Amino acid sequence: DQQVKQNSPSLSVQEGRISILNCDYTNSMFDYFLWYKKYPAEGPTFLISISSIKDKNEDGRFTVFLNKSAKHLSLHIVPSQPGDSAVYFCAATDSGTYKYIFGTGTRLKVLA
Amino acid sequence: GAGVSQSPSNKVTEKGKDVELRCDPISGHTALYWYRQSLGQGLEFLIYFQGNSAPDKSGLPSDRFSAERTGGSVSTLTIQRTQQEDSAVYLCASSLIAGGSTYEQYFGPGTRLTVT
Repeated sequence: DQQVKQNSPSLSVQEGRISILNCDYTNSMFDYFLWYKKYPAEGPTFLISISSIKDKNEDGRFTVFLNKSAKHLSLHIVPSQPGDSAVYFCAATDSGTYKYIFGTGTRLKVLA
Repeated sequence: GAGVSQSPSNKVTEKGKDVELRCDPISGHTALYWYRQSLGQGLEFLIYFQGNSAPDKSGLPSDRFSAERTGGSVSTLTIQRTQQEDSAVYLCASSLIAGGSTYEQYFGPGTRLTVT
């Protein structure tokens, strides 16, 4: 039972355009969500997060949107840069616990 | 070295052999997590430590898997009698303390285990 789903395994975007990565979850107890970015042969690195009390969080070129009723979140990157090419993982947690549940990742390729 | 380190970076072993994977967390981080990423899968939670104790071992796939942490620092994940389905990247992460929303997890580069 996959509680966090990233249904698009890959995405290609032209440099300068917007990248939109999507994530769906099923557990209504999740109240904190994170995005991690992973380059080959490296561990994931934290990118941005959002609490369930918000519907948007912005950090520079990165914005995460949360739609609690749809149990859906998305990561927007604008403008996309070639250095953004990586695998992006969505994660969710119940903030009363220690356990993050990760999605399967979306490989983003930004074309120069 | 300020980050989480893991060793070895790659390990090839024969089916049936035991392997030990090591994680050095960020100094001062009391929480330590082990995850596994199999091909085409997300990160699968295995176990976490708060200090030297592991309150939840439910993520360990079988009794062939065990983990320990000593001195509130280094952790080892041991897989006994390895099977081909154990082949995966094993990732370690640490955070200041355990707690889902407040404390970001910092990941190491992982150990790629291949069981032949």
